[in-house]
Amino acid sequence: AQSVAQPEDQVNVAEGNPLTVKCTYSVSGNPYLFWYVQYPNRGLQFLLKYITGDNLVKGSYGFEAEFNKSQTSFHLKKPSALVSDSALYFCAVRVPNTGGFKTIFGAGTRLFVKA
Amino acid sequence: EPEVTQTPSHQVTQMGQEVILRCVPISNHLYFYWYRQILGQKVEFLVSFYNNEISEKSEIFDDQFSVERPDGSNFTLKIRSTKLEDSAMYFCASTYQTGGVDEQFFGPGTRLTVL
Repeated sequence: AQSVAQPEDQVNVAEGNPLTVKCTYSVSGNPYLFWYVQYPNRGLQFLLKYITGDNLVKGSYGFEAEFNKSQTSFHLKKPSALVSDSALYFCAVRVPNTGGFKTIFGAGTRLFVKA
Repeated sequence: EPEVTQTPSHQVTQMGQEVILRCVPISNHLYFYWYRQILGQKVEFLVSFYNNEISEKSEIFDDQFSVERPDGSNFTLKIRSTKLEDSAMYFCASTYQTGGVDEQFFGPGTRLTVL
């Protein structure tokens, strides 16, 4: 079955330190991987995606993610965290369905960045 | 920048009542989706819609749910007889789908509270 796992419910990091939010996936065929961020009482905002090409993908707000096929991982990273990065982060995979694709989300990881 | 819009932002209803959640997808998009997020939990796929019919639905999407594209711009989710457990954030999404894997654009969500 197609699935996405985010092993950490919560990640705490100090402002200015690097952050990593982990994601692993299980899909048949090529993985189409996404990260979304959700701020309190807001919708889902697209951060970045991996479809093909370079394993290191750069996205919005200074975030990047590294696709690792052998480890089936797509961890989200940022070199220097900001307090404003505190939010709920979802890893997701797009899988084919009839006539298109649907998105399967991980459970989410809450990121707390302390000043 | 074009965006998906949803109304209302918050809907409060009594158990057993019917509700209609409205979405206006991005105008040239062809594929439409509804997702649900129960408070504090992950985002779950409900249904996808293409070419004026449901292309896939999840096990959550039972007979109390229906979707419709009544005109060229709106995409609605109807819940016929709401239950307490229907309380959640409902996200609409759309994608153009050029033949590759386009990202889904999500609306801001409608928070449904069933009393």
